[in-house]
Amino acid sequence: DIQMTQSPSSVSAYVGDRVSITCQASQDISNYLNWYQQKPGKAPKLLIYDASNLETGVPSRFSGSGSGTDFTFTISSLQPEDIATYYCQQYDNLPLTFGGGTKVEIK
Amino acid sequence: EVQLVESGGGLVQPGGSLRLSCSASGFTFSSYAMHWVRQAPGKGLEYVSAISSNGGSTYYADSVKGRFSISRDNSKNTLYLQMSSLRAEDTAVYYCVKGKYSYAKGEFDYWGQGTLVTVSS
Repeated sequence: DIQMTQSPSSVSAYVGDRVSITCQASQDISNYLNWYQQKPGKAPKLLIYDASNLETGVPSRFSGSGSGTDFTFTISSLQPEDIATYYCQQYDNLPLTFGGGTKVEIK
Repeated sequence: EVQLVESGGGLVQPGGSLRLSCSASGFTFSSYAMHWVRQAPGKGLEYVSAISSNGGSTYYADSVKGRFSISRDNSKNTLYLQMSSLRAEDTAVYYCVKGKYSYAKGEFDYWGQGTLVTVSS
């Protein structure tokens, strides 16, 4: 199975700050990576697919980059409604494994 | 509008069985792979199982292999997960998830609201 190592596990930042999350795959997954946002009590929501493509309707302050084994997810200007847990997921091989999640909080 | 509505969750004793259903609408169900993903209370997401659009290919995580069975009825737009020999560690919210393609390998684009399965005596 491909292991996805996500860091940090939690981050606290001010409104307006830039927040970055990294995800490292245990082997080359090309650009087959998603980023999801999960708010408490809700199902995950797809934000980024193919490592860097913004899903329709997702605000442009969210972005993704990377390929191979190293990926980054960025919120350019943190907003109160961005409070959530974010997960990366590879879809290069079954099982489609997830990172451990990053909880984003407001200072 | 795509809708995925899970049902069938509940409290079951260790060693027991349960069948989850996912009723799909708003898209051509028979054209897309479907998946089950679970989330234990306070924990992260765990991939459980997948089935291709025509049901010809299935996949199971090692943690459920031999105990769970995924199936679909394309005439009823419904996905199933038959769970048996349930263990306490199977306690989780189970999400029904739509794939973007007919085959299992690929991104998800829609999730159901989830159904809670609690395995306890």
